Amino acid sequence: KQEVTQIPAALSVPEGENLVLNCSFTDSAIYNLQWFRQDPGKGLTSLLLIQSSQREQTSGRLNASLDKSSGRSTLYIAASQPGDSATYLCALQGGRRALTFGSGTRLQVQP
Amino acid sequence: SQTIHQWPATLVQPVGSPLSLECTVEGTSNPNLYWYRQAAGRGLQLLFYSVGIGQISSEVPQNLSASRPQDRQFILSSKKLLLSDSGFYLCAWSRGDQPQHFGDGTRLSIL
Repeated sequence: KQEVTQIPAALSVPEGENLVLNCSFTDSAIYNLQWFRQDPGKGLTSLLLIQSSQREQTSGRLNASLDKSSGRSTLYIAASQPGDSATYLCALQGGRRALTFGSGTRLQVQP
Repeated sequence: SQTIHQWPATLVQPVGSPLSLECTVEGTSNPNLYWYRQAAGRGLQLLFYSVGIGQISSEVPQNLSASRPQDRQFILSSKKLLLSDSGFYLCAWSRGDQPQHFGDGTRLSIL
């Protein structure tokens, strides 16, 4: 059974700082890994998807990496802004096609 | 373009009452459909997924059921709600191994 862990659970940084969110998983037999953003009381917004055969994906100030051999993924946010404040969720798609989620990292960027 | 709709956005129900949450997808055909629940202080948990009309897979034993009467319609139901059914319910769709796209969710409170 896939288990997904996200560290840290919460993070508070000053505006402009670069930061890294970590995700680890126990089963490397995955189709892809997704990073989502969730604002309070809202649904999920997909940020980046990394296919199993890929090592990283970039979108604007966001960069996500995937290392299946070590069971790790990182989400790098450059030059953080107050608007980046949200909960960030890592999720893996396995053979069932459904996603297994981590518990998230709650990010607060202070202006 | 594809869109996903969930309703209602919020719902307050007494213990023992029935439940029906609806999710519809537009702009695609034969999508994979999912119901997730996010309980307070916990991560997202997959409840049901469907790869076609009438095909429902349940991930966890519970007080809920799901149905897919039409290709792009997914319904989450209960005959008698429990206090533990409170949470934020999210519907999602995908095609193949492409990213999952989420609705805005239904906040369910049981009194």
